[in-house]
Amino acid sequence: TQLLEQSPQFLSIQEGENLTVYCNSSSVFSSLQWYRQEPGEGPVLLVTVVTGGEVKKLKRLTFQFGDARKDSSLHITAAQPGDTGLYLCAGEGRGANNLFFGTGTRLTVIP
Amino acid sequence: SQTIHQWPATLVQPVGSPLSLECTVEGTSNPNLYWYRQAAGRGLQLLFYSVGIGQISSEVPQNLSASRPQDRQFILSSKKLLLSDSGFYLCAWSYGQGTDTQYFGPGTRLTVL
Repeated sequence: TQLLEQSPQFLSIQEGENLTVYCNSSSVFSSLQWYRQEPGEGPVLLVTVVTGGEVKKLKRLTFQFGDARKDSSLHITAAQPGDTGLYLCAGEGRGANNLFFGTGTRLTVIP
Repeated sequence: SQTIHQWPATLVQPVGSPLSLECTVEGTSNPNLYWYRQAAGRGLQLLFYSVGIGQISSEVPQNLSASRPQDRQFILSSKKLLLSDSGFYLCAWSYGQGTDTQYFGPGTRLTVL
């Protein structure tokens, strides 16, 4: 099993603050995806990063894939209450049909 | 467009009772299908995946089983539920290889008492 650890596990910040969420593993992944999940709903894909060192931006969200493709980060600038949710990273496993999901970071943005 | 349905949305079952959760996908053919379980506020644990009718791969040994009787139907079952089976069960599909984007259903909240 390829384990993905996310940190922090919980994060509560004020609206307007910046934050970074980390996704780390000892394994190398061919690609890595980030999802956000609202309470009581299924996760929704935000972005996929494929190349080591790749940086992708989605409005106020910046995603980076580590050079060694073992880790990734998600940085949110000027967080808003709508950013509240569970953020999950998922790495492409060795098998052809597996994504390994991280442990998740629950973000709460307080108005 | 493609849609994925799960039912029921919520379920409360006594320990030892059977379980059947259903997932169906519309608008695509021969999808890869997945069952995940999620503990409260945590990441997803892959339980089963299927690349075609009657083809099931199990990731975690347990008292759950899965079946795919039709191309776009995926069923999660148990003969006797345990307290530890409580959780949020998510079905997902992808076009091809499991590393493609996965599209998740709305989930089923199962509480075993």
